[in-house]
Amino acid sequence: GAGVSQSPSNKVTEKGKDVELRCDPISGHTALYWYRQSLGQGLEFLIYFQGNSAPDKSGLPSDRFSAERTGGSVSTLTIQRTQQEDSAVYLCASSLARDRGNYGYTFGSGTRLTVV
Amino acid sequence: SQQGEEDPQALSIQEGENATMNCSYKTSINNLQWYRQNSGRGLVHLILIRSNEREKHSGRLRVTLDTSKKSSSLLITASRAADTASYFCATPQGGSNYKLTFGKGTLLTVNP
Repeated sequence: GAGVSQSPSNKVTEKGKDVELRCDPISGHTALYWYRQSLGQGLEFLIYFQGNSAPDKSGLPSDRFSAERTGGSVSTLTIQRTQQEDSAVYLCASSLARDRGNYGYTFGSGTRLTVV
Repeated sequence: SQQGEEDPQALSIQEGENATMNCSYKTSINNLQWYRQNSGRGLVHLILIRSNEREKHSGRLRVTLDTSKKSSSLLITASRAADTASYFCATPQGGSNYKLTFGKGTLLTVNP
């Protein structure tokens, strides 16, 4: 597609349930990023994928969070045993190959996760 | 840790006026980027300025970069109601060429 696609747009889940968030990046973009944004806050880095390299998971807040990227394209962010503090907008972005970071990101519209 | 910090946190102006937002950062960078976010959803990339550039223009946007002061400014000229949004600066995180760190943003309101 022309842009980064995220699904679902909104997700309400009960505390303790697992959720999966999906991101479909722009074709040809080898770099993919997950961020989350809590209400009124800036973006918090979660994880970064680049081609076939090992992902940078340094931003994942706990071992309940995991992500994978299959075939260098679609990525899934999984949150296990969700907690209320996980409520946020989860944003996915993609960019061209890392070239000293000199490319802007293209963001999806995000998934608004609400844990009740 | 927070790299880019925007100032002011909120700005309200009338249509037709210019809006200036500032960003300060802490460590050396190879580029600085500005993004716009409407209604708390996806961010839109506006402009990227490299460390060897001092000023860059894109339509009604003008970005400056002062690496000696570790600061940048975003100027929107002849503002429109549609410019109402949050604006973020982002810089590659220290030691990384790819991981952007975003500030908390400036909320710009343009009143018709």
